[in-house]
Amino acid sequence: SQQGEEDPQALSIQEGENATMNCSYKTSINNLQWYRQNSGRGLVHLILIRSNEREKHSGRLRVTLDTSKKSSSLLITASRAADTASYFCATGQIQGAQKLVFGQGTRLTINP
Amino acid sequence: SQTIHQWPATLVQPVGSPLSLECTVEGTSNPNLYWYRQAAGRGLQLLFYSVGIGQISSEVPQNLSASRPQDRQFILSSKKLLLSDSGFYLCAWTGTAFNSPLHFGNGTRLTVT
Repeated sequence: SQQGEEDPQALSIQEGENATMNCSYKTSINNLQWYRQNSGRGLVHLILIRSNEREKHSGRLRVTLDTSKKSSSLLITASRAADTASYFCATGQIQGAQKLVFGQGTRLTINP
Repeated sequence: SQTIHQWPATLVQPVGSPLSLECTVEGTSNPNLYWYRQAAGRGLQLLFYSVGIGQISSEVPQNLSASRPQDRQFILSSKKLLLSDSGFYLCAWTGTAFNSPLHFGNGTRLTVT
């Protein structure tokens, strides 16, 4: 079953603007990860935030995690046309192997 | 460095035909291996995962099976394909360390006609 639910499903902004995507989940997690997928390709790992962390940065990416609200957000600052892709959150649960459960994704379009 | 190979990139198969998709990982030992399926415009559904040779866990009962004959080889199979098996199949691996991220192959787009 789907664990993470991204919001919005689609987002279109102008180049240079900031893009914010949200993810909500239902059960307790060990970590939450964000991935990016260019059309027709595999997913690429962007950032991982552990359940005991509240905020993490990587370049133009900022991820927050609120375990009390079971939600996370991904902020991409100063967007570029190359950021156009689908973005997925995935929650990590340990059951013998790390099983990541993915949401439906947010399709981000950056207009030049 | 570690790399993951998945082939073929695209496949068109008739209903009732068999399927074999192969995935291999290089540059790491004893990885956890995964098969995901993605319907058009949707999220990923975990199909199978494996923590070692011959150890397969199935997440969704269906027309598919998986095998891990070697440490870094993961195979997705079907004896008879259904139309509903069409989709984008992704192989991935993680290290065994806690909180290891997933590393994906480039996927196989399967169309069952």
